[in-house]
Amino acid sequence: AQSVTQLDSQVPVFEEAPVELRCNYSSSVSVYLFWYVQYPNQGLQLLLKYLSGSTLVKGINGFEAEFNKSQTSFHLRKPSVHISDTAEYFCAVSDRMAGGTSYGKLTFGQGTILTVHP
Amino acid sequence: DTEVTQTPKHLVMGMTNKKSLKCEQHMGHRAMYWYKQKAKKPPELMFVYSYEKLSINESVPSRFSPECPNSSLLNLHLHALQPEDSALYLCASSPPRASGSETQYFGPGTRLLVL
Repeated sequence: AQSVTQLDSQVPVFEEAPVELRCNYSSSVSVYLFWYVQYPNQGLQLLLKYLSGSTLVKGINGFEAEFNKSQTSFHLRKPSVHISDTAEYFCAVSDRMAGGTSYGKLTFGQGTILTVHP
Repeated sequence: DTEVTQTPKHLVMGMTNKKSLKCEQHMGHRAMYWYKQKAKKPPELMFVYSYEKLSINESVPSRFSPECPNSSLLNLHLHALQPEDSALYLCASSPPRASGSETQYFGPGTRLLVL
């Protein structure tokens, strides 16, 4: 079983400042890692994902994340935020072990609300 | 194209009504999911269909009845719901794990209010 901890429930930041949203996970097996963004009254949009390869992953809207296996972390960063980045961000994991299934099962963190102030 | 569509966008229903939510994808994905999301919470998995067969039912009450008529369509039939069932219902789809692209793509959701 996996678990995901998003260390900050709310992150306020000023426009054009850098931001880091923290995510730690726990799993007994190797995992895939995801960040999703949810704007008010909308569905989840995939920001970026780590499946394999380079541990630094670049996503949409200028976001990036770094997979750190030793620290079991997958923190999300953006060097300069915009008002339009105000949203809720979810970190999620899915275990790599197929177990004979053709689908994944996501475990979500509790979410971090990013509020960008002018 | 990574689009999952859901209809309707909003739904208000009484506790004695029967209604259905619809989800559609044309990405060739063979796994489709229903999630329920309450305010300020992460999505909670309800059902998973894999190759049109129900693979996971997360102990969801029988007043929710999923259906997968074909590989592109997923329905959620609602009957005798309770006010606490009011939530955002999200559909997602994903390619087969063997494709190496282990990613779920979400639709915009249906906002359900039960009166």
